[in-house]
Amino acid sequence: EPEVTQTPSHQVTQMGQEVILRCVPISNHLYFYWYRQILGQKVEFLVSFYNNEISEKSEIFDDQFSVERPDGSNFTLKIRSTKLEDSAMYFCASSSRGNTEAFFGQGTRLTVV
Amino acid sequence: LAKTTQPISMDSYEGQEVNITCSHNNIATNDYITWYQQFPSQGPRFIIQGYKTKVTNEVASLFIPADRKSSTLSLPRVSLSDTAVYYCLLDQNTGFQKLVFGTGTRLLVSP
Repeated sequence: EPEVTQTPSHQVTQMGQEVILRCVPISNHLYFYWYRQILGQKVEFLVSFYNNEISEKSEIFDDQFSVERPDGSNFTLKIRSTKLEDSAMYFCASSSRGNTEAFFGQGTRLTVV
Repeated sequence: LAKTTQPISMDSYEGQEVNITCSHNNIATNDYITWYQQFPSQGPRFIIQGYKTKVTNEVASLFIPADRKSSTLSLPRVSLSDTAVYYCLLDQNTGFQKLVFGTGTRLLVSP
């Protein structure tokens, strides 16, 4: 079964450092997403990406965040200057078209110290 | 944005049928009802989606009454591995899959 893969599975970084979370969506999918889940809280939408541009973003997705699809297979989330409150599980997802099943990766646990 | 309400937690035993009801009184005409499952430290996983009446797949059934103000996810003969959080969501028909997760229902299946 095709799957969304994310690396690394766990990343520890110091406050103020930049981090890049990487995702390989399912190959024939066209829509890509990032969500995050702070420990014990809800899964929250961050951003959706289609046709090489952001289609929607939440208020969480401020200027510190950016996304990129650099090479047609990877989809990355960059946090420019991490804060303690960025510590969370970050999930990448993809879908073949909107309003259908979204496939989620296993997540990257980001710990900011 | 229409909101969903579901029980915070449910307990069951292996082999039983579990029904989780979700209330969505303000569901919009274009909204589909979708259920996801999440195990600890894993990403959510799609279970089933429906618009009206009944939908069944190899994992679950989804019952939606005519007024669409509620829905029921039915898991037949649960096992220990069905212990997870189950989320009821409404998909906005915008063409992009922005999913709004609530707190979900934490199902605990015991031997």
